[in-house]
Amino acid sequence: DTAVSQTPKYLVTQMGNDKSIKCEQNLGHDTMYWYKQDSKKFLKIMFSYNNKELIINETVPNRFSPKSPDKAHLNLHINSLELGDSAVYFCASSPQGVEQYFGPGTRLTVT
Amino acid sequence: GEDVEQSLFLSVREGDSSVINCTYTDSSSTYLYWYKQEPGAGLQLLTYIFSNMDMKQDQRLTVLLNKKDKHLSLRIADTQTGDSAIYFCAEAPGTDKLIFGTGTRLQVFP
Repeated sequence: DTAVSQTPKYLVTQMGNDKSIKCEQNLGHDTMYWYKQDSKKFLKIMFSYNNKELIINETVPNRFSPKSPDKAHLNLHINSLELGDSAVYFCASSPQGVEQYFGPGTRLTVT
Repeated sequence: GEDVEQSLFLSVREGDSSVINCTYTDSSSTYLYWYKQEPGAGLQLLTYIFSNMDMKQDQRLTVLLNKKDKHLSLRIADTQTGDSAIYFCAEAPGTDKLIFGTGTRLQVFP
């Protein structure tokens, strides 16, 4: 199937740990994104990459570090996890920045 | 500033039309979007409209754009129980990022 996929789907971890979320798209798109959806369903962009280059960094704490090893992958590494990091993280990709296609989300719970 | 507002809830009877409204503030937005999110799922792109259009129809979906009032609406004709979801409008203010609205939870009852 052609799609945007994320792993893991669920992630439960303790405060202070470091974790990574992976995203892959096989749509051949040049641009990839990370969005955060909080408990009130509010969605906000975190980062965008175009062809492995960071384009947008929306005042996200530097505990969050995206990494794009190639244009089909955009991973999100989070250091020193805090309770407030609990959210659903969505990856998305876009061919030219007009239509964005979202992955299924990763629900992160920090205890 | 970047602020996209929607009403939180809408409840409609099956077979009726649903109209979900959205107001945005950034007049430079080139495209405006509607996404659907079912429980526990990701966001599905339903449709989008270019800012120089005032209407777009796609099967049961009709998007109306009033650029003067910065008002966007999504009409769903013959609403079905499968349409129950959260609907997000979003604007793209000249950059790659999407600015999402607060979401409208649509409940369809028989």
